[in-house]
Amino acid sequence: DAGVIQSPRHEVTEMGQEVTLRCKPISGHNSLFWYRQTMMRGLELLIYFNNNVPIDDSGMPEDRFSAKMPNASFSTLKIQPSEPRDSAVYFCASQNLSPDTQYFGPGTRLTVL
Amino acid sequence: GQQLNQSPQSMFIQEGEDVSMNCTSSSIFNTWLWYKQDPGEGPVLLIALYKAGELTSNGRLTAQFGITRKDSFLNISASIPSDVGIYFCAGRNTNAGKSTFGDGTTLTVKP
Repeated sequence: DAGVIQSPRHEVTEMGQEVTLRCKPISGHNSLFWYRQTMMRGLELLIYFNNNVPIDDSGMPEDRFSAKMPNASFSTLKIQPSEPRDSAVYFCASQNLSPDTQYFGPGTRLTVL
Repeated sequence: GQQLNQSPQSMFIQEGEDVSMNCTSSSIFNTWLWYKQDPGEGPVLLIALYKAGELTSNGRLTAQFGITRKDSFLNISASIPSDVGIYFCAGRNTNAGKSTFGDGTTLTVKP
């Protein structure tokens, strides 16, 4: 299995631009998580899905952030418009019920200038 | 919400030394997890603990689930340079639910 796949690995954009991060979870996993990691705030859970349905989006910073999971093999995290304070590494992780191990992707390093 | 306090924040040790780090919570968790993150990579699960009092080993790593269910520790014996990285604890209450992560312990091992 290829593991959790994220794209792009690096993204540099200018303030105000729309950014879309993509994630392909491990086949057969039914939970998907989006995290943001920064030096100041550590690893923060933004949103997670069970069976493609958003369960908890209380970690989404504000309305500029949105996430979708149209099917079991694909999810997106969109930031519109982006701001410099959104600069971080964004991780996607997927998990199955048994064993309940959460597998992280390699992350997308986002820089907003 | 639930908060995890992980300590120490960072450690600088000599190769061959043993390492101990811990995590405490203001509330109970049913599952404790320990992850390691290498530079430029996502966290990787090292050990999962499911029962209060449980002591589990994975090679040179040993972790324990505290009796009160509010704490856990991770020990690394005879550290080696490749142990360098950030170690995260995480607590969870349901199998399909979210995990709450600590702020991480950054480990540096000097050869």
